Amino acid sequence: EVQLVETGGGLIQPGGSLRLSCAASGFTVSSNYMSWVRQAPGKGLEWVSVIYSGGSTYYADSVKGRFTISRDNSKNTLYLQMNSLRAEDTAVYYCARASYVVYYFDYWGQGTLVTVSS
Amino acid sequence: SYVLTQPPSVSVAPGQTARITCGGNNIGSKSVHWYQQKPGQAPVLVVYDDSDRPSGIPERFSGSNSGNTATLTISRVEAGDEADYYCQVWDSSSDHYVFGTGTKVTVL
Repeated sequence: EVQLVETGGGLIQPGGSLRLSCAASGFTVSSNYMSWVRQAPGKGLEWVSVIYSGGSTYYADSVKGRFTISRDNSKNTLYLQMNSLRAEDTAVYYCARASYVVYYFDYWGQGTLVTVSS
Repeated sequence: SYVLTQPPSVSVAPGQTARITCGGNNIGSKSVHWYQQKPGQAPVLVVYDDSDRPSGIPERFSGSNSGNTATLTISRVEAGDEADYYCQVWDSSSDHYVFGTGTKVTVL
C-alpha cells in the first residue's frame, strides 16, 4: 500500500528556516516524480516544487531561490528545505507522487502545517 | 505563466448534474486532471488525462476537454460530493504544474 507521511511543520519566525520530510512506503521515491504542493489557510492549492527520477528539480517562482527539494534514497524520503520564510509561506504542505506519463498527482500525504509568524 | 480559471462556486440539487469548468489558453491541447478536496483532508484524484477515472471513483464523475475549456461533470449528485474541486495541468513550457483557482460545490 502506498503511503506518504509528512513531518517537520510548526511555528517559525519570519526569516527562519525549516525542513519538511515526507516518508514514503509502498514504492521507491527515487524511481518516481515527487512534488510538494501547499495550501494557505482558506485558499486554493499551489504547486511548490518537483524532483524528477533523474534528479532534475523545478520550483514555483514564489519559492525559487529560497526552497530546495531533495531526497534520501536510503531512507526513501523526500525533503523540502525552506529558508528565508515569509508570512505568505504559511500553509499546509503536502507531498505528492506525480505520474510520469501525463503529470497528475496520484497519491498525497496528509499534510503538515507551517506557520510563519512572530 | 499559464493560468487556469474556475468559477468560485456551483450549487446543485441532489440527483441533478453539476458541471465545473476550467478555462485556460488552448487547454484542449493539454491533459487536464481533477481533484476533490473535502474539509481537513488531502486532495483526491477523481479524473485524469481529461476523462479517465482512477479505480474506486464512481462513474458519475466524468470529464471532457476542448478548445479553451475543460469540464468536470458530476451526474446524479449526492450529498457526499459536496467539496472543493480543482483542475490541474502540466505546463511543458516552464516544467511547472498549475492548479486552477478551485470551485466549491454545494449540494442544496
